[in-house]
Amino acid sequence: LAKTTQPISMDSYEGQEVNITCSHNNIATNDYITWYQQFPSQGPRFIIQGYKTKVTNEVASLFIPADRKSSTLSLPRVSLSDTAVYYCLVGDNRDDKIIFGKGTRLHILP
Amino acid sequence: GAGVSQSPRYKVAKRGQDVALRCDPISGHVSLFWYQQALGQGPEFLTYFQNEAQLDKSGLPSDRFFAERPEGSVSTLKIQRTQQEDSAVYLCASSLEWARVAGETQYFGPGTRLLVL
Repeated sequence: LAKTTQPISMDSYEGQEVNITCSHNNIATNDYITWYQQFPSQGPRFIIQGYKTKVTNEVASLFIPADRKSSTLSLPRVSLSDTAVYYCLVGDNRDDKIIFGKGTRLHILP
Repeated sequence: GAGVSQSPRYKVAKRGQDVALRCDPISGHVSLFWYQQALGQGPEFLTYFQNEAQLDKSGLPSDRFFAERPEGSVSTLKIQRTQQEDSAVYLCASSLEWARVAGETQYFGPGTRLLVL
């Protein structure tokens, strides 16, 4: 499984757009990029997954450049309830395990 | 429908005690995972079941840890002779089909917080 690197923590304010970038220099051809969100005292929750270019759902957008060596999770107009840890993962459809790393602690301020 | 449930939510054990943690996956989900999450860290893989078969137990930290899923639904993680370093949140996750990082979402329970004194 390719390793990922993401910031340890980020602060932002309510109503702002937040972008969290993840580096995955050794991503393999068959790997997908997946983001999970974890609130305090809860298990992680799937947010979004993509392979290339851009993916958007009701929660977030995921931007993946052509070289796929990084990706950016974009959260539009965050609120206090978006305070959580965000995990970036890469892997392909042969991988059974999820390797989470430490994630990015996002703290939204009023 | 109901999500993944775990019980108990909190467990305090004295060092040396045995504990059993239960996971009820989403009905019909084939794959079941156990993770251990230390304070301030991401979840770490412990073991994986497909139906009743334990296909990977490479993450279990010692032979004091044992997991089972005898009928392919409910799973139990057992820790024998608990030690202080076993204190952590134990998360269970399930997925509908053969679990893959790509394309298949894992659904997590709320976890069991274990404190060993």
